[in-house]
Amino acid sequence: AQSVTQLGSHVSVSEGALVLLRCNYSSSVPPYLFWYVQYPNQGLQLLLKYTSAATLVKGINGFEAEFKKSETSFHLTKPSAHMSDAAEYFCAVRTGRRALTFGSGTRLQVQP
Amino acid sequence: EAGVAQSPRYKIIEKRQSVAFWCNPISGHATLYWYQQILGQGPKLLIQFQNNGVVDDSQLPKDRFSAERLKGVDSTLKIQPAKLEDSAVYLCASSLVGGDSYEQYFGPGTRLTVT
Repeated sequence: AQSVTQLGSHVSVSEGALVLLRCNYSSSVPPYLFWYVQYPNQGLQLLLKYTSAATLVKGINGFEAEFKKSETSFHLTKPSAHMSDAAEYFCAVRTGRRALTFGSGTRLQVQP
Repeated sequence: EAGVAQSPRYKIIEKRQSVAFWCNPISGHATLYWYQQILGQGPKLLIQFQNNGVVDDSQLPKDRFSAERLKGVDSTLKIQPAKLEDSAVYLCASSLVGGDSYEQYFGPGTRLTVT
């Protein structure tokens, strides 16, 4: 079985501040982990993915995430928030050929 | 490279009516997925196809939902009859078979409102 828990349904930061979105996973086998972003009325866009090659993964738009097996975490960070980062962010896990299992999402607000 | 196409983008129907959604995956992608995303929640898998065979439909409400993927390319998802709780965005995604991550590419979704 595989599952994902995203802590915090809403996160608000000031423009230029650090962004930290939390994700913890549960998997009985080594997982593949993903972060997706969803802008209003749009589909999901892949930000980054962990496929066991490196524990620190860099993605698009300045985002990165670190896979920590001991903590079963895959938190998403960005050093400096931009207004355009305001969106819904989803963490997802998959094992083998199964489909993605998504977390419930975190809505990021960026205050000017 | 063209992305995943879905139509219609929006649909409003009354409860007990039927509705169908269409998806055209990225060319060459053998695996196709339909997800349901209820407002305020993450997407949930409804059905997964590989070519024209079903891999996983364990979460598909088969008494009212059906899906097919003829010729292993386009796919149609149907709801008959619709209920109020079916109001959601229906996302189609596709991926290659093989590779480390089976990365999925998502379409823009169809927003269904059942009144």
